[in-house]
Amino acid sequence: KQEVTQIPAALSVPEGENLVLNCSFTDSAIYNLQWFRQDPGKGLTSLLLIQSSQREQTSGRLNASLDKSSGRSTLYIAASQPGDSATYLCAVEEASGSRLTFGEGTQLTVNP
Amino acid sequence: DAGVIQSPRHEVTEMGQEVTLRCKPISGHDYLFWYRQTMMRGLELLIYFNNNVPIDDSGMPEDRFSAKMPNASFSTLKIQPSEPRDSAVYFCASRRSTGKETQYFGPGTRLLVL
Repeated sequence: KQEVTQIPAALSVPEGENLVLNCSFTDSAIYNLQWFRQDPGKGLTSLLLIQSSQREQTSGRLNASLDKSSGRSTLYIAASQPGDSATYLCAVEEASGSRLTFGEGTQLTVNP
Repeated sequence: DAGVIQSPRHEVTEMGQEVTLRCKPISGHDYLFWYRQTMMRGLELLIYFNNNVPIDDSGMPEDRFSAKMPNASFSTLKIQPSEPRDSAVYFCASRRSTGKETQYFGPGTRLLVL
């Protein structure tokens, strides 16, 4: 059974700092890995999707990397802003189907 | 497009009552997913459909839960009878069948069973 772990569980940083969120998964037979953002009381918003054959994806100040063989992904946020405060969730899609398995999330607070 | 639409947004009910959650996926999406989110267990997949057919319901906790998708634009998740431990946020998501796209989530239904 696939298990996804995110470290740290919570992170508080001053505005402007660069930061890294970590995600690990136990079964490397994945179709893709996705990073989502969840604001309090809201649904999930997709940030980045990395296919299993890719190494990284970038969108604005966000960069996500994937090392499938070691079962790891990182989400890098450059020049953090208070508006980045949210919970960030990592999820892997199984190669055998469309099932997404989520990590517990990292709750990020960026202080002005 | 209005995105994935869920109703109701909030539901408070008493133990033993029937609860029906509703979802309208994004037009043209042929996969639909139901998730449950709790503090203890995080976000869990309950069931998903492809072209209105249930594909994987292994996440449905027990027989009290049932889901249907009578057509491409509507799905329901029903809990009967409801129990306090069913209190959670229930999300519906949809995506196209290319497999290279993400899932689009609705705003969720916050369920409280007293």
